[in-house]
Amino acid sequence: GENVEQHPSTLSVQEGDSAVIKCTYSDSASNYFPWYKQELGKRPQLIIDIRSNVGEKKDQRIAVTLNKTAKHFSLHITETQPEDSAVYFCAASMGGATNKLIFGTGTLLAVQP
Amino acid sequence: DSGVTQTPKHLITATGQRVTLRCSPRSGDLSVYWYQQSLDQGLQFLIQYYNGEERAKGNILERFSAQQFPDLHSELNLSSLELGDSALYFCASSVVVANTEAFFGQGTRLTVV
Repeated sequence: GENVEQHPSTLSVQEGDSAVIKCTYSDSASNYFPWYKQELGKRPQLIIDIRSNVGEKKDQRIAVTLNKTAKHFSLHITETQPEDSAVYFCAASMGGATNKLIFGTGTLLAVQP
Repeated sequence: DSGVTQTPKHLITATGQRVTLRCSPRSGDLSVYWYQQSLDQGLQFLIQYYNGEERAKGNILERFSAQQFPDLHSELNLSSLELGDSALYFCASSVVVANTEAFFGQGTRLTVV
């Protein structure tokens, strides 16, 4: 069935440390994997995405890696800052000509100053 | 501001009632999605429309229905409301139909009492 598992559910790090969030998806036809950040009471906003023909993508302090064989993808945030504190969601598209995204259950990241 | 407009921002209604949530996509976006976010269920995909036609369906209840109009705005109708329908309902839009960033609106917070 369609499922995305996300771990950990909560993550607390010290400012300047790195944070890693991992996701596993079930549908081998999935080919698009976005990561969204949601601050309290606000809308989810895309921070980075990766497509299945790429193994890694970086944008400043944020990187995403994809292992299609293992159906794993991960978000890496380096040099964390207090403003990185939020809930992060991974998602996987269900393939085909749709943008149906199945979201993980979210990770609450707290960056301690 | 994502450019996606949702109205109303807040809605309080009684059980058994019917409500309509409205979404105006970003200028130029042909695809509209609806998501439900509750504390215990995370972000759940409800339905996707592309240029007026239904493109993908999630676990949307039979009591819920949606449509996309010729001017591309969309409405989500929720009827016979139950306490468990209380949630944040997000609309999102994108230019193309698949594997692309979805821009989220600010959401409509529905409280059923």
